[in-house]
Amino acid sequence: RKEVEQDPGPFNVPEGATVAFNCTYSNSASQSFFWYRQDCRKEPKLLMSVYSSGNEDGRFTAQLNRASQYISLLIRDSKLSDSATYLCVVNSETSYDKVIFGPGTSLSVIP
Amino acid sequence: GAVVSQHPSWVICKSGTSVKIECRSLDFQATTMFWYRQFPKQSLMLMATSNEGSKATYEQGVEKDKFLINHASLTLSTLTVTSAHPEDSSFYICSVYPGNQPQHFGDGTRLSIL
Repeated sequence: RKEVEQDPGPFNVPEGATVAFNCTYSNSASQSFFWYRQDCRKEPKLLMSVYSSGNEDGRFTAQLNRASQYISLLIRDSKLSDSATYLCVVNSETSYDKVIFGPGTSLSVIP
Repeated sequence: GAVVSQHPSWVICKSGTSVKIECRSLDFQATTMFWYRQFPKQSLMLMATSNEGSKATYEQGVEKDKFLINHASLTLSTLTVTSAHPEDSSFYICSVYPGNQPQHFGDGTRLSIL
């Protein structure tokens, strides 16, 4: 089993839609969880950290379910500028300061 | 947060050339830096962990003699792709872990070997 798995996508949604991405991780001892976005041919940029109680940042809501080893990202009122690849990131099983990237889910928001 | 500078951003070379990529931590003394590689339509894969003053730790399947890493100071790590071939063409990116914060990435280096 891969350490981090995500919905394969791609997701093609109209502007204004709500879209949810799912991610599962294999290391039950993981403590750090993040969502990054990556635009084509660019470096990943941190979107938000994911906290145990769940957290929200504007139109973005992240949830963590430790029992199921599952992370989600919800985007409300999608904008064209949200089009990107969304990467689920979890700290490595072997080393706390290393992180493992999921394969990413591609989102295209259509006018 | 940490600021990471990576250079060059784009390299096009002939097959057989060795290419050096620099990663600088501008405002954080990094004892550890990470090197990733990303092939088209794939996710970032950790290649190696660069350790200041000691040998790098390579992930399984990454040839240490092919990808030479030097971390001589707390602000600079270099990755040298030796005798590069077309299959080494990829997006290489470094990162710094400031501790208790998410990792911060350089802008990446797009390597194309002809």
